[in-house]
Amino acid sequence: GNSVTQMEGPVTLSEEAFLTINCTYTATGYPSLFWYVQYPGEGLQLLLKATKADDKGSNKGFEATYRKETTSFHLEKGSVQVSDSAVYFCALRGGYSTLTFGKGTMLLVSP
Amino acid sequence: NAGVMQNPRHLVRRRGQEARLRCSPMKGHSHVYWYRQLPEEGLKFMVYLQKENIIDESGMPKERFSAEFPKEGPSILRIQQVVRGDSAAYFCASSPPAGANYGYTFGSGTRLTVV
Repeated sequence: GNSVTQMEGPVTLSEEAFLTINCTYTATGYPSLFWYVQYPGEGLQLLLKATKADDKGSNKGFEATYRKETTSFHLEKGSVQVSDSAVYFCALRGGYSTLTFGKGTMLLVSP
Repeated sequence: NAGVMQNPRHLVRRRGQEARLRCSPMKGHSHVYWYRQLPEEGLKFMVYLQKENIIDESGMPKERFSAEFPKEGPSILRIQQVVRGDSAAYFCASSPPAGANYGYTFGSGTRLTVV
């Protein structure tokens, strides 16, 4: 079946540091890949997505590249802000299946 | 253009009572999904519904939990005879009738506390 593995958190960074949150997946076929963000007390918001190999999704300074050869979709940002503190979820969806999420990675950014 | 609307935002129930959670999907979305989020855990899929049909309920506990998405009105997740372990955040999401390229739009969730 489908599965997503994310690095465990929390990830603690200072403002303006470089961010990487690792995500690898297992799936049959060619899934679409997503990153969602959850701010405290809120629901999940779609951050970015990629639908085929070598696609790069980007939004709000975040980016992730669909790497089929390494089955990865790592999230990166060049310079984090305090307002980026949140929980980040990697997810995949194959065919007409439902979204499968990783366990989430908490990011804490200090001034 | 309202997003996915869930209510109530917070719900407190005593053990043994029933909890009823509502979800209205985004306009134009006919697929609804329910997920549960426990503290320190990720999101666990519960059930996937279309109008008047349960498509996949593989994540639903076999007892006390049920879901529906009637022809008219919101989707309802019902938990009968709640227990402390049911305390969690329950999220509803919706998507258009399309394939894997589309992610879901999530509501703000209902936080259920069983006392």
